[in-house]
Amino acid sequence: DAGVIQSPRHEVTEMGQEVTLRCKPISGHNSLFWYRQTMMRGLELLIYFNNNVPIDDSGMPEDRFSAKMPNASFSTLKIQPSEPRDSAVYFCASSFRGRATDTQYFGPGTRLTVL
Amino acid sequence: KQEVTQIPAALSVPEGENLVLNCSFTDSAIYNLQWFRQDPGKGLTSLLLIQSSQREQTSGRLNASLDKSSGRSTLYIAASQPGDSATYLCAVRPYNNNDMRFGAGTRLTVKP
Repeated sequence: DAGVIQSPRHEVTEMGQEVTLRCKPISGHNSLFWYRQTMMRGLELLIYFNNNVPIDDSGMPEDRFSAKMPNASFSTLKIQPSEPRDSAVYFCASSFRGRATDTQYFGPGTRLTVL
Repeated sequence: KQEVTQIPAALSVPEGENLVLNCSFTDSAIYNLQWFRQDPGKGLTSLLLIQSSQREQTSGRLNASLDKSSGRSTLYIAASQPGDSATYLCAVRPYNNNDMRFGAGTRLTVKP
């Protein structure tokens, strides 16, 4: 099992540019989570999906952020336009059924730097 | 709002020592608590998950306890090894909600 796959691993962009982060969950997992980790705020849940449907996006910081899951094996997190304060490590995680008892498996993360 | 605190923020011990990492949370109405390990530049790896009805969970040299009423959990690592060096995070999950709240983590260094 390849685990959760994220791409790119590192992204450096200039303020105002569009950024797209990608995630492939573990095959057979029905729930997918996007997190952001910063020194100031720690690890925060941005949004999660069950069966490709967004369930809770209350953690998405503002309208510049959007996430999609067009099928069970792919999700994107888009930031448009990007700002320096978006610099962080973005993690994707998946779990079997998304129940509270199910362990979440994390990807290696995408380190985003917005200049 | 749930607040999760981990003390100490950093810990350095010689190889072979037993150690305890602490996690406290302000709202005791949790569904479960989970301990993760994070290596530099990598994602999180789940170590132990304790349901609210449980008192402890064990896996190898790791033992996690939960005292929900007092809002505390500890992660005990026996006979520490240099390979245990990493950041350890605890996270609590409320009922019927996938919004896990994470602590800031304890950065552990085990010196050979």
